This record gives sequence, structure tokens and C-alpha cells, in this order.
Amino acid sequence: DAGVIQSPRHEVTEMGQEVTLRCKPISGHDYLFWYRQTMMRGLELLIYFNNNVPIDDSGMPEDRFSAKMPNASFSTLKIQPSEPRDSAVYFCASSLAEGASRDFGAGTRLSVL
Amino acid sequence: GQNIDQPTEMTATEGAIVQINCTYQTSGFNGLFWYQQHAGEAPTFLSYNVLDGLEEKGRFSSFLSRSKGYSYLLLKELQMKDSASYLCAVTLDSNYQLIWGAGTKLIIKP
Repeated sequence: DAGVIQSPRHEVTEMGQEVTLRCKPISGHDYLFWYRQTMMRGLELLIYFNNNVPIDDSGMPEDRFSAKMPNASFSTLKIQPSEPRDSAVYFCASSLAEGASRDFGAGTRLSVL
Repeated sequence: GQNIDQPTEMTATEGAIVQINCTYQTSGFNGLFWYQQHAGEAPTFLSYNVLDGLEEKGRFSSFLSRSKGYSYLLLKELQMKDSASYLCAVTLDSNYQLIWGAGTKLIIKP
């Protein structure tokens, strides 16, 4: 298995622009998680899906953030409009079960100028 | 609230042994994960403890005491490639929630 695949690996954009991050989970994993990692706040859970359905989005910072999972093999995290404080590494992870270990993608390093 | 404490940084010598501690105070507990994260890379799974005691996996071992809210990761025969951050994470009764520690940056010196 290729593991969790994220794209792009790096994204540099200007404040106010729309940013879309993409994720392909491991086949057969029913749970998909979006995390954000910064030096100040560490790893934060933004949202997670079970069988393509969003279960908990309480970690989403504000309305500028949205996530979708149209099918079992694809998810997006969108930021519109982006702000400099959104600069971070965004990880997508998937797992077989809620309590199982997460398999992380390589992450997207986002810089908003 | 939920709280997980780990030392921010530790330094050890190649070939030696190091113990990274993690203490937690959480509302409910299901199990405890240890992840390794090299700089600029994703976290990778090391171990998962549910029951009290020591679990050994090659050069790495993980210990859990549920009554004390305490875990440690023991790394033996340290290698330069072990230089990384080590993240402790607790799963709550509700399962899906992983409460993450801030991580311990381990620096290995020759």
C-alpha cells in the first residue's frame, strides 16, 4: 500500500487566497482525520470522518475552514480566505478504527504571506 | 480539562539508553500511544499500551501505569537516527479523541 497520500507537499500563497489541500487515505481505512501542527500549539485535530461522514468538526478554527469527503478515497480541506496565522503543516491521517493507530500522510506545509 | 506533560527536550549519547516520560491527567482513559516524528516528516507509530506493564519491541520499550497516569518510552543502544521528536498521545473512552502531548525533542550526540 502506498500509504496516505497528500498533495501538495508545499503551498505558498498570499493572504486572501483560497487554498485546497487534498488527501487519499489508505484503502480500507474507515476513519480519516485532518490535523494541523504548529510549534506553538502542537498537533491539533481539526475534523474527522467515519465512512465519509463528518463526525466532529469542533476543532475547525472558524468558518473559513471547510472539509469534505465525497468518497472513501478522497478528502479535501479548504481555507477561504487564507490568513498568515493559517501557516502550519497540515496532516491527513487514516485508521481502521477509532481507537487504532493513525497512519499519517507526509503533510502539506502551508505558508500564507 | 485534559493535560499531557512531557519534557520539552532531552540529550543523550550514541549507544546509551534514554527514558522519555509522559504523565497525563485526562477525563477517561483507553490507551496511550507513542509516535516518533523526524524533523519535517510525519509522525509514525511506535507503540500502544492499554494494560499496565512494559512492552518491548526491539530497541524500544514502552511502559504504562494507569493508576499513576504515567508512561515512559525507553530507547536502548541509541543511534544517531533516533534524533527526533517523540509524541505521547492518550485515547479517551470515547475512542476517537487522541489527546496529544507537545512532544519531546531528543538530541543524540556522538
